[in-house]
Amino acid sequence: GAGVSQTPSNKVTEKGKYVELRCDPISGHTALYWYRQSLGQGPEFLIYFQGTGAADDSGLPNDRFFAVRPEGSVSTLKIQRTERGDSAVYLCASSWGTSDVGEQFFGPGTRLTVL
Amino acid sequence: GIQVEQSPPDLILQEGANSTLRCNFSDSVNNLQWFHQNPWGQLINLFYIPSGTKQNGRLSATTVATERYSLLYISSSQTTDSGVYFCAVVAQGGSEKLVFGKGTKLTVNP
Repeated sequence: GAGVSQTPSNKVTEKGKYVELRCDPISGHTALYWYRQSLGQGPEFLIYFQGTGAADDSGLPNDRFFAVRPEGSVSTLKIQRTERGDSAVYLCASSWGTSDVGEQFFGPGTRLTVL
Repeated sequence: GIQVEQSPPDLILQEGANSTLRCNFSDSVNNLQWFHQNPWGQLINLFYIPSGTKQNGRLSATTVATERYSLLYISSSQTTDSGVYFCAVVAQGGSEKLVFGKGTKLTVNP
């Protein structure tokens, strides 16, 4: 597609449930990033992939969060045993790579609400 | 890690006015981007500007990397310019992650 797409756009779940959020990057982009944005704050980094491998997962808050990118394109962010504090907008971005081609382009986000 | 500070936090303008938003960062950067987050939450790329000056219509940006700041200029503001403007940087020598400032909330009144 022309831009980064994310599904679902909204997800409401109950505390303790498992959720998966999907990101489709811009075609050909090798780098893919996940960020989380709470109300009134700037986005905060979670994890980024270069190809299929996680190059930096230092932003994942705990081991309930996990992300995969098995074929180097689509990525899934997985959250186990959701907590109310996980409620936020989850943003995905992609880029051609690093340095001179490192401009990141963002998707519309998935708004996650944990009841 | 690198710190990003944006000022002012809030700005209210009348349509047609000009404004300057500032972004200070605490260390050397490989990448600096300015975004506009619209009322629907979409982050729109304005500039990719690790150094130098760029212009796009009524908007322009300047980054002085040696002094660790960037400025975003909005001229002849319109109500559609309202929203939150974010500066974000990639620190030199580390991960490619963007570190965001807290944003400047701009309101343009008719």
